[in-house]
Amino acid sequence: DSGVTQTPKHLITATGQRVTLRCSPRSGDLSVYWYQQSLDQGLQFLIQYYNGEERAKGNILERFSAQQFPDLHSELNLSSLELGDSALYFCASSPGDGLSPLHFGNGTRLTVT
Amino acid sequence: AQSVTQPDIHITVSEGASLELRCNYSYGATPYLFWYVQSPGQGLQLLLKYFSGDTLVQGIKGFEAEFKRSQSSFNLRKPSVHWSDAAEYFCAVGVPGNQFYFGTGTSLTVIP
Repeated sequence: DSGVTQTPKHLITATGQRVTLRCSPRSGDLSVYWYQQSLDQGLQFLIQYYNGEERAKGNILERFSAQQFPDLHSELNLSSLELGDSALYFCASSPGDGLSPLHFGNGTRLTVT
Repeated sequence: AQSVTQPDIHITVSEGASLELRCNYSYGATPYLFWYVQSPGQGLQLLLKYFSGDTLVQGIKGFEAEFKRSQSSFNLRKPSVHWSDAAEYFCAVGVPGNQFYFGTGTSLTVIP
């Protein structure tokens, strides 16, 4: 158990809809990362937060947004969903000290129909 | 720009055989290096990490990796593969600013 909790585990929704994915980082970790994993794209970095502030952006679509709350949990919001957004979405956390590795949650599997 | 290359998309080995998964990185200084394993339907689990010091690092599940600066490589090895090692393996680089770059992964199949 990595200590990173992601909910829900599975999500099935229709095109055009909006969903919210939730992540609770390991206790003591200040930094949260979101990744998208699909069969044809591999593991794609979306966005990173550190202690509530956006730290880095990767290949995140404008239809997607995220935030990190004062209690350090994070949410990834996906809107105007398309079939191609079907993927595994992972959250990872780290202390943010520049030395520690990432610890991953078990992911949320999103299916857009 | 930083990058990580895992040249082998898929590898098949027999149970009990030795294993080496290749990883090459591109970064101006000595990076922090990691190997992760992902079993089907699971998240990525850290196998081992290299920050500095001894270039041969030991990890969990009997894995080890060797950092070779001259070759910009960090190959993962295991002397004897078990059927339970079948999974996807990812090499990653960490750089200042707490940024991480992942390779595209190597899928390992183990034949009984």
